[in-house]
Amino acid sequence: RKEVEQDPGPFNVPEGATVAFNCTYSNSASQSFFWYRQDCRKEPKLLMSVYSSGNEDGRFTAQLNRASQYISLLIRDSKLSDSATYLCVVNGLTGGFKTIFGAGTRLFVKA
Amino acid sequence: DVKVTQSSRYLVKRTGEKVFLECVQDMDHENMFWYRQDPGLGLRLIYFSYDVKMKEKGDIPEGYSVSREKKERFSLILESASTNQTSMYLCASSSSGTSPSTDTQYFGPGTRLTVL
Repeated sequence: RKEVEQDPGPFNVPEGATVAFNCTYSNSASQSFFWYRQDCRKEPKLLMSVYSSGNEDGRFTAQLNRASQYISLLIRDSKLSDSATYLCVVNGLTGGFKTIFGAGTRLFVKA
Repeated sequence: DVKVTQSSRYLVKRTGEKVFLECVQDMDHENMFWYRQDPGLGLRLIYFSYDVKMKEKGDIPEGYSVSREKKERFSLILESASTNQTSMYLCASSSSGTSPSTDTQYFGPGTRLTVL
C-alpha cells in the first residue's frame, strides 16, 4: 500500500461546478498536511495547508480527518484556470522526519 | 520574491555520461531537496540536505550523489547515467521550523533529463 494515495482522475467538470478530491495516508503519526498545485510542465506550488479544524481560502476548502486518515480538497465554482494536477503532501515521522507526495489528481475544467 | 533556479530546463545525455544538475536558491533556506517525478509515481525524494556539507539519503538514492558546499547551492550528480534515470528532476528548498520539512517547499522549474 502506498503511504499517500490519491485518485489519479482525471476529473472532467464544467465551469461553475463543485469538485472534491480525497487523499488517504497510511501513517497515523503524520503531523502536517498540504495541498500543492502543479500546472502542466511546471513545478508544484503550495495551494494551502490543511489544519485539523479545516480551513478555507476563497473557493478552496481543505479538511483533515485524522480518525479515518484522509484529507480533502473542495473547489467551489470551478474556473478554467483551476485545471491542474493537485498533489497531496503529508509530513510525518517514518524513521526520521519525512515528506511524502501523492501522485496527484488531474482536474480539467471545461467551458 | 522566492526563487529557486535550476541550471537547465532540458538536458539530453548518453548512457554512461556523468551528469551534473545544479540548483540555487536565494532565500537563505537551510533545507534543500532533490526529487524525481515520473508519471503515476509522483515525486520521489532522492537526497536532501539540512545544512552545508550535510546530506541524507531519500527514498531512491541509488545511482545518485549530491554536493552542498555552499548554503545556496545543492548539486545532484549522476555518476554514470542510465536510461532508467530519464525523468523530470525537481529541486526544492525550505526554511527550518521546529521540525524539518514542516515549512513550505519552494520548487525550481525542473530539469527534464533524457538519457539515450
